[in-house]
Amino acid sequence: DGGITQSPKYLFRKEGQNVTLSCEQNLNHDAMYWYRQDPGQGLRLIYYSQIVNDFQKGDIAEGYSVSREKKESFPLTVTSAQKNPTAFYLCASRQGPESGNTIYFGEGSWLTVV
Amino acid sequence: SQQGEEDPQALSIQEGENATMNCSYKTSINNLQWYRQNSGRGLVHLILIRSNEREKHSGRLRVTLDTSKKSSSLLITASRAADTASYFCATAGGGAGNMLTFGGGTRLMVKP
Repeated sequence: DGGITQSPKYLFRKEGQNVTLSCEQNLNHDAMYWYRQDPGQGLRLIYYSQIVNDFQKGDIAEGYSVSREKKESFPLTVTSAQKNPTAFYLCASRQGPESGNTIYFGEGSWLTVV
Repeated sequence: SQQGEEDPQALSIQEGENATMNCSYKTSINNLQWYRQNSGRGLVHLILIRSNEREKHSGRLRVTLDTSKKSSSLLITASRAADTASYFCATAGGGAGNMLTFGGGTRLMVKP
């Protein structure tokens, strides 16, 4: 099936640890995104990548890092510098402009600091 | 920063009634999109309306766009309990990355 796969679905992090959330897509989309969602809130952009080996900071990039070594993969690392990482993380990828730039989302990953 | 703001933040209706959600935004856009999110799940694209369109239909969904007022509305007709979800509008301004900027969402509850 075509789509976006995020893993793990649930992740617990101890204070001071870095954790990495995986995002893989087989839609052949160039652009990929990471959003953070806090309970009852909208989405805030963390990082985005328009092409392999290139990525840009979003609105709340501090404490996060990404890489884009392959078109299909856009992992997000939540570092110990992120002081309040407990949230729901959503990865997305985008069709090209000929399709209106519709974004497709994964099922999300819940991160909890313990 | 959020571009779109949905109104109301929460809406509770009976099955069979219509649900209307509104979205206002601040800057010029290329298109506006509506998404649905079931609790704890990813967002699902519902409908896209371009800046030169005024109304669009998809099944029980009707979306309007008024660029002069920088607002859009999503109407769900003959609602069902399965429509219970959060609904988000997102605007595409055509800038770097063609990023979508999401509002805070409307939480819709449809009571059976």
